[in-house]
Amino acid sequence: SQKIEQNSEALNIQEGKTATLTCNYTNYSPAYLQWYRQDPGRGPVFLLLIRENEKEKRKERLKVTFDTTLKQSLFHITASQPADSATYLCALLPISGGYNKLIFGAGTRLAVHP
Amino acid sequence: SAVISQKPSRDICQRGTSLTIQCQVDSQVTMMFWYRQQPGQSLTLIATANQGSEATYESGFVIDKFPISRPNLTFSTLTVSNMSPEDSSIYLCSAETGGTEAFFGQGTRLTVV
Repeated sequence: SQKIEQNSEALNIQEGKTATLTCNYTNYSPAYLQWYRQDPGRGPVFLLLIRENEKEKRKERLKVTFDTTLKQSLFHITASQPADSATYLCALLPISGGYNKLIFGAGTRLAVHP
Repeated sequence: SAVISQKPSRDICQRGTSLTIQCQVDSQVTMMFWYRQQPGQSLTLIATANQGSEATYESGFVIDKFPISRPNLTFSTLTVSNMSPEDSSIYLCSAETGGTEAFFGQGTRLTVV
């Protein structure tokens, strides 16, 4: 079956450290993969997109990697701050199967402690 | 980019009644979608709202239960009909402007009692 998996356990880290979140998928061939941030009571907000032919993408303190062999994306927040505390969702757009809509993971909650 | 206003932000409804959620976008968008999100769960796509025609529903969702309108390129409504406690969830409106990024409303937290 097709699945997108993110660590359901919350990630607790100390301020200033690098947070690394994982997104694994099976039985998809993504055209691209996206990461979103979701705060409580709010809708998701787009952060980064990485295409199937890209290995890494950066934006300020954020970095995303994409390994289509491992079927995995890693999302890094460097020099983390308490304001980075939120739930982070990965989403992918499948290439094939005629289904051209985003498919979301359940998200990982990040808590950055002062 | 697109800014999406969704209302109501929350509601508590009696079982057997219906609730209509409105989604207004500040610019014309190509695609509009409706999602459901249970606590701690992923976003589940309910349907694609098609401008001027019937919505396209995903497996497990039917028009009689979730009628959707999209009269123009900036507005859509989702109705949750004949509600039961199992319909308690967060409902999210989303739009795409032709690029790859999805924009979301703040969501409607629905509680059915």
